[in-house]
Amino acid sequence: GAVVSQHPSRVICKSGTSVKIECRSLDFQATTMFWYRQFPKQSLMLMATSNEGSKATYEQGVEKDKFLINHASLTLSTLTVTSAHPEDSSFYICSATSTGELFFGEGSRLTVL
Amino acid sequence: QKEVEQNSGPLSVPEGAIASLNCTYSDRGSQSFFWYRQYSGKSPELIMSIYSNGDKEDGRFTAQLNKASQYVSLLIRDSQPSDSATYLCAVNISPGGGADGLTFGKGTHLIIQP
Repeated sequence: GAVVSQHPSRVICKSGTSVKIECRSLDFQATTMFWYRQFPKQSLMLMATSNEGSKATYEQGVEKDKFLINHASLTLSTLTVTSAHPEDSSFYICSATSTGELFFGEGSRLTVL
Repeated sequence: QKEVEQNSGPLSVPEGAIASLNCTYSDRGSQSFFWYRQYSGKSPELIMSIYSNGDKEDGRFTAQLNKASQYVSLLIRDSQPSDSATYLCAVNISPGGGADGLTFGKGTHLIIQP
C-alpha cells in the first residue's frame, strides 16, 4: 500500500505554545488529506478535511483558529495546534487518499504540560 | 447522526481458534465498509474492505456484510497472538468507497491467548 509519513511521532510541549505536525504522502499524490484525533480508548474522530490549495473543512466543534491546517502541496499537509493546553493532549493521526482508499500516517502523540 | 457500534471487549480467544468481531451501523444508505487493525500506540492499518452483501475472504480474514440487517463482521481463522489488537469498523455512505465521511466505531479489543 501507499506510504504516509507523519512527523513528529511524539511531542511534549508547555501550555500556551504551538506545535506543528507534518503529514506527507511519500509515493503518491494525495488529493485529500484528513486529520483525526483519538483519545485513550476512544474511536478516531475526524477533525478536518483538506484539499490541496484550498481551505480545510472543519468538523462541527473543531476550532479552526486553534487547529490550523495548511495543505500546501499534493504531498504535504500540516496541522498546527496553537496555544496548546493540557486538554489538547491526544493522539493525532493524518490520513491521505487519492483513489478512495485511506492510508494512515504513524500518528503523533501530543502531551501538553 | 451516523453511528457505528462495536462491542469494546476485551474479546479473549484461544490461539488457533476463530475470532469473530461484529459491527452494526445506523445509516441504511451506507455503501462501503472497512475493517482496520490498530495496535496500541499505533495508527490503524486497513485489513479488509467490503462493498456488497456476502462474504469476502483474504487469507485468514473473512469479512461478512448483511445490509438488510445493517451488520458487518470480521472472522479471523487460526488466530495468532500477533492478531491481538483493537479492530475498528468503519462505514461510509459514499458509493465509490471514498474516504470522505468515513465513520469509525470505537473498536473491539481482541486478545489471543497462547
